[in-house]
Amino acid sequence: NAGVMQNPRHLVRRRGQEARLRCSPMKGHSHVYWYRQLPEEGLKFMVYLQKENIIDESGMPKERFSAEFPKEGPSILRIQQVVRGDSAAYFCASSPVVGLNEKLFFGSGTQLSVL
Amino acid sequence: GIQVEQSPPDLILQEGANSTLRCNFSDSVNNLQWFHQNPWGQLINLFYIPSGTKQNGRLSATTVATERYSLLYISSSQTTDSGVYFCAVEETSGSRLTFGEGTQLTVNP
Repeated sequence: NAGVMQNPRHLVRRRGQEARLRCSPMKGHSHVYWYRQLPEEGLKFMVYLQKENIIDESGMPKERFSAEFPKEGPSILRIQQVVRGDSAAYFCASSPVVGLNEKLFFGSGTQLSVL
Repeated sequence: GIQVEQSPPDLILQEGANSTLRCNFSDSVNNLQWFHQNPWGQLINLFYIPSGTKQNGRLSATTVATERYSLLYISSSQTTDSGVYFCAVEETSGSRLTFGEGTQLTVNP
């Protein structure tokens, strides 16, 4: 049973380009969480999605960022018109049920570098 | 929102030493988890521990929910224990984990 899979592992973009980060949850999991880790900082919550629904996006920047988790396929975190301040590690985690009443497992993350 | 404070922010040990990491939180929580982020950036879940005590090899954790703190004990530390240790909590009103800023642990040979 594969864990949470994220790709790409590293992503380099120039300012103004778009970044698309993918997260495939563990098998049987229908809830996905995205977190961002800036250099030398802890993880900050961005968004919580269930299949085809955004449950909590209170941590998402108001502009340029969007997330989706379609019925089929991975969850996508999309960043439009990237700026240098978007450079960070982006992690996703998945769970099988509502609530976090068990261990939460994270993917290996996507390191985004904006030149 | 809930505040999560970890101490100490940095810790340097000699191999074989024991250590205690602390996590204080400002409100009631549904759950608390400890993670280890290794030098390659991978996040490893160590414990799901909303209350009580658990042990896993050289690691153990205790959460006293009524007093809003948790402790992570590392015994006979090894160089592979180096990395950042995060405490993360879920508020009773929430559905996500809020992370502390972490404790950077360096274990020297």
